[in-house]
Amino acid sequence: EPEVTQTPSHQVTQMGQEVILRCVPISNHLYFYWYRQILGQKVEFLVSFYNNEISEKSEIFDDQFSVERPDGSNFTLKIRSTKLEDSAMYFCASSEAGGGHQPQHFGDGTRLSIL
Amino acid sequence: GQNIDQPTEMTATEGAIVQINCTYQTSGFNGLFWYQQHAGEAPTFLSYNVLDGLEEKGRFSSFLSRSKGYSYLLLKELQMKDSASYLCAVRETGGFKTIFGAGTRLFVKA
Repeated sequence: EPEVTQTPSHQVTQMGQEVILRCVPISNHLYFYWYRQILGQKVEFLVSFYNNEISEKSEIFDDQFSVERPDGSNFTLKIRSTKLEDSAMYFCASSEAGGGHQPQHFGDGTRLSIL
Repeated sequence: GQNIDQPTEMTATEGAIVQINCTYQTSGFNGLFWYQQHAGEAPTFLSYNVLDGLEEKGRFSSFLSRSKGYSYLLLKELQMKDSASYLCAVRETGGFKTIFGAGTRLFVKA
């Protein structure tokens, strides 16, 4: 069964550094998402992306965050200047369509640790 | 405001039936999803409801009442591997943003 893949599985970064989290969505999917989950807390929506542009973003997704689809397969989340509170599990997800009954399929996540 | 409420924890016995409730108040409604999440892993899709009523899928069923802002997930013939968190999530109108509840941690005991 096709799956969403994320790399790296664990990223350790010094505060203030830039970090790029990478995702390869399922190949025939057109909608891409990033979520984060701080340890012990709920999954939080960050951003959705369709047709090479952001379709919706949450208040968490401020100017230090950006997303990009640099080629036909990768989808990246960049955090420009990391803070301690950015430590979390970051999940990429994709879906075939944007609404209706289409579920979002999640990758295994990247655990980001900011020191 | 946006709010999704689920019980924090539940315990049930192997072979039994358990019902996990979810109530929601969100900015618009375009469907409700249930996901299963084992500790340290990604959420995996279980079910979807957009119309009132019951959707059945093997050992799992999900119910929705839009007028009451209420859903439940029913798990039958519980197995030890069903021990996990169960996340209720609502897709807002417009179709992109999905709001997750904090999850219900289910413990299945022998």
